[in-house]
Amino acid sequence: DTGVSQNPRHKITKRGQNVTFRCDPISEHNRLYWYRQTLGQGPEFLTYFQNEAQLEKSRLLSDRFSAERPKGSFSTLEIQRTEQGDSAMYLCASSSPGQGAPGSYNEQFFGPGTRLTVL
Amino acid sequence: RKEVEQDPGPFNVPEGATVAFNCTYSNSASQSFFWYRQDCRKEPKLLMSVYSSGNEDGRFTAQLNRASQYISLLIRDSKLSDSATYLCVVDNYGQNFVFGPGTRLSVLP
Repeated sequence: DTGVSQNPRHKITKRGQNVTFRCDPISEHNRLYWYRQTLGQGPEFLTYFQNEAQLEKSRLLSDRFSAERPKGSFSTLEIQRTEQGDSAMYLCASSSPGQGAPGSYNEQFFGPGTRLTVL
Repeated sequence: RKEVEQDPGPFNVPEGATVAFNCTYSNSASQSFFWYRQDCRKEPKLLMSVYSSGNEDGRFTAQLNRASQYISLLIRDSKLSDSATYLCVVDNYGQNFVFGPGTRLSVLP
């Protein structure tokens, strides 16, 4: 399977615990994105990487959240001291440079997500 | 005002019907536009890109009106398998995607 993969698919944790999620993008994609989605809402942007550089972070990404992409391939998203409000689906996506205007990118391909439940 | 707005629905239509979804966006500098489809408890998947000239893919037609900052999706001859949530997506400066809340469609037998 050459699509975007995410692990684990489900995570149940107690409030206050730390959790880490992993995303493996499509191999030739140099951009990787993290989103959060709650029931009845569209995905909300959290952060994105171009290769190993983290280029943008949403204000939704509090200081309890940290993301890394150390070698420009897979990425991890860590949430420290989880709260019940962190319960959501965490989606990862990747994309490759487009062939149109300079700096353009193709559509994003999403992984199956990690569903986090904080008790 | 939210950056991307959609009517959440649900739209309940009979098989064979034609249904149209609208989406408005607030950032006039937005560059690219997409419709994604999301099935229940699944990840979003690209349905089609939206071009200024309008584009069609089988039963699906997408239109973009930059002056009015408006995007539409038309589905003709609805199938049961079209039941899903349709997400309007705006791409700002080739960076992050901004998703609308989605419009839920149920096609009824």
